[in-house]
Amino acid sequence: QKEVEQDPGPLSVPEGAIVSLNCTYSNSAFQYFMWYRQYSRKGPELLMYTYSSGNKEDGRFTAQVDKSSKYISLFIRDSQPSDSATYLCAMSGIMKKTSYDKVIFGPGTSLSVIP
Amino acid sequence: DGGITQSPKYLFRKEGQNVTLSCEQNLNHDAMYWYRQDPGQGLRLIYYSQIVNDFQKGDIAEGYSVSREKKESFPLTVTSAQKNPTAFYLCASSGTSGLEQYFGPGTRLTVT
Repeated sequence: QKEVEQDPGPLSVPEGAIVSLNCTYSNSAFQYFMWYRQYSRKGPELLMYTYSSGNKEDGRFTAQVDKSSKYISLFIRDSQPSDSATYLCAMSGIMKKTSYDKVIFGPGTSLSVIP
Repeated sequence: DGGITQSPKYLFRKEGQNVTLSCEQNLNHDAMYWYRQDPGQGLRLIYYSQIVNDFQKGDIAEGYSVSREKKESFPLTVTSAQKNPTAFYLCASSGTSGLEQYFGPGTRLTVT
């Protein structure tokens, strides 16, 4: 079983739809959860990160973490064609100044928002 | 503008040749990372460095080498020992926590 799993898609939705992107993980030590967006042939950019369980909202984006189920989600409201990209989830354990607990990335879900 | 630059964007090499990928950052970040991205796989960590003159192997370091002589620079050499070097290589940097990683635009290496 991979440490982090993500539905690869591709996911295709009409403009204005609500999009749900999901990841599951196996390591209960993960405390920090990130979502990155990667446009084609570009480097990923950090969208949001959350600590432990709960929700975090930033504009049209909401990140949700359910540690009991080892499941995280990213919701995109009022999706736009400019949201078409690959979305990578990422997670890590406790961060320390003296050592690096590496970030584990999911394989990404490809999203297309059709005008 | 602060950011990370990688060069070149595309690189073609013959099998058996070593090649060096450049990564420079002006974000004043202490930590820098090299990842490899292949279709259908997550980013895999090759090497990372938390401080100048120090670096650590990641999950797939075999066939790669790095140096960290300056805070701003973290070049990656893909050696002829790397069995399957054709991939998209991403460089990133972060503060000491390693959480918020900022990525460069990537270098696509093709070895034939």
